Formats: sequence, structure tokens, C-alpha cells
Amino acid sequence: AQSVTQLGSHVSVSEGALVLLRCNYSSSVPPYLFWYVQYPNQGLQLLLKYTTGATLVKGINGFEAEFKKSETSFHLTKPSAHMSDAAEYFCAVSGPYHTGNTGKLIFGQGTTLQVKP
Amino acid sequence: DGGITQSPKYLFRKEGQNVTLSCEQNLNHDAMYWYRQDPGQGLRLIYYSQIVNDFQKGDIAEGYSVSREKKESFPLTVTSAQKNPTAFYLCASSMGWEQFFGPGTRLTVL
Repeated sequence: AQSVTQLGSHVSVSEGALVLLRCNYSSSVPPYLFWYVQYPNQGLQLLLKYTTGATLVKGINGFEAEFKKSETSFHLTKPSAHMSDAAEYFCAVSGPYHTGNTGKLIFGQGTTLQVKP
Repeated sequence: DGGITQSPKYLFRKEGQNVTLSCEQNLNHDAMYWYRQDPGQGLRLIYYSQIVNDFQKGDIAEGYSVSREKKESFPLTVTSAQKNPTAFYLCASSMGWEQFFGPGTRLTVL
């Protein structure tokens, strides 16, 4: 069965420092992987996604993630944190494949990113 | 602009009352979803619908009901059977694997 584990429910970095949010997944089939960001009291916004092809994926706001099949990981990084990056981040993997089930995602528990001045 | 709207943004309910949360999309997506979000628990799937007039229970469907009479609309009713309904509710739609989310409705039971 598909599952997602986000290591660390809270991550704190200084402004200008590297951001690294960890995501490991379990999937019995080649996965589609997603990172979403949520600002307080708002919906989720897609940061980036991996479906097929290049394993290093670039997203919005300077974020990127690398799909590593051997490590079953899809960690999110940003070279230099900005105060506006403070938010909650969710990793998601595509759910089980069967007829009529495309689109169902399995979400991790979320990681809250704090950016200190 | 295409997108997903949820209304109201804030909703207050007395115990024992049913309440309906609205979700509308103009993205022409076939699939729609309802999630519940509580602090520290991520997103939990309540119901989803892949096509009009059809829907399936998610992981926490007890105390909730939905309908899908139109492609663009997927309302969620929180019934009095839901023991702890205070939460943030998110609606999403998708065509394929990427989900698009609405702004959410915060429900508080008084």
C-alpha cells in the first residue's frame, strides 16, 4: 500500500539558510510525487510534482525536489530561506492504481517550516 | 478565472444541527474530494467522487454525507452524528493526479 512519511513535524531555519524538508514514500508501483504548501487558513498550493522523466524537479518560489528511487525519497530543498517561506508543507504520493481511482493522493502529516530573522 | 470556491469561509454550528459546506469548481474536472484537517494530523479524506452521480467513502466518512448531482458541485453535509466536527475542511478537484484545492471552510461547533 502507498504511504508517505515526512520526517520532522517542525523545522526551523534562519533566513538565508538552506531549507531541507524530508519525505519518504512507499509505493508498489512507480509513483507520482507532489509537494504542496499551505499558508495559515488557506488551501493547499502545488509547489512541484514528479511524474516521469527528469528526477530533479523545479517548482515555484525557488524550491526543488529530487526523486531518488533507490532511497524512496522525494526531499524538498531551497538554497536560501525567505521569511515568506514560513508555512506548512505536505508531501503526497499517488494512491493505488485501479479503474476509477486516478487522482486520489496519499498525504504525509505535514512539516511546519519556521524561518527566523 | 478557473478555480475552486468554498463557502462560507467560517461557519458556526450548534450541537445537534446539520450543516452543509459548499464546493464549486469551474475547471471542468471529473474528480472532486473532501478533506478534513486537524492540527498535527495532516489531511484526512472524507469522501471523493470520480464522476457525476457517484461517490466513495474515504478514511473518515462516518457522520458526513455528500452528493454529486452536477459536475461542478460537490457539497458536504456534516450531520449531528459527527462527534467532533470542529475542523478546517478542504475541497479539491483533479483531472489526473494533480489536485487543486479550494480556500477551505473553518467549522466551529458551539
